[in-house]
Amino acid sequence: AQTVTQSQPEMSVQEAETVTLSCTYDTSESDYYLFWYKQPPSRQMILVIRQEAYKQQNATENRFSVNFQKAAKSFSLKISDSQLGDAAMYFCAYSGTYKYIFGTGTRLKVLA
Amino acid sequence: NAGVTQTPKFQVLKTGQSMTLQCAQDMNHNSMYWYRQDPGMGLRLIYYSASEGTTDKGEVPNGYNVSRLNKREFSLRLESAAPSQTSVYFCASSELAGGPNEQFFGPGTRLTVL
Repeated sequence: AQTVTQSQPEMSVQEAETVTLSCTYDTSESDYYLFWYKQPPSRQMILVIRQEAYKQQNATENRFSVNFQKAAKSFSLKISDSQLGDAAMYFCAYSGTYKYIFGTGTRLKVLA
Repeated sequence: NAGVTQTPKFQVLKTGQSMTLQCAQDMNHNSMYWYRQDPGMGLRLIYYSASEGTTDKGEVPNGYNVSRLNKREFSLRLESAAPSQTSVYFCASSELAGGPNEQFFGPGTRLTVL
């Protein structure tokens, strides 16, 4: 069975600084996708970034980028130039054949 | 487009009462999901419907039933609510199940069982 682990329940970052959120996963599937979702205090889940396992190039979306290490089954999210609006819960998710598996989340605090 | 809508937004039940959470999507998605979110537990899949006419159990199905009423609607029923079912419930949809498909979430229902 697939698993997703986020070992950092909470992280803090100073405004304008860079922070990295960790995620590891386990799977025996060869084709899968990995996602990072953001959940702000409004509770509305928003897709941040998506990575296909077959693509070696790390995905990037503006200030958000991933470090995808397939052999190590690691998928970390880097947020550059952190802004107050980045404060939220961040969930790592694995998508295989039919369904998603979410990690337990990391709460990111952004300090002014 | 409203996306994914859920009703109600808040609900308080007494132990043993029943209720149905409603979910609808207007994106013509084939797949729909019900999750519960508890502190420190992340999002756990209760049931999902990969396509109209099919439903399957997720990680935590006990105490729940679902109905895929049509392509748009997917309801979650608690037959006899228990305090352990106090949680925030999210409905989500995606074009297809799994793979590269982004899930779109509703605003959630906060349920308290006394």
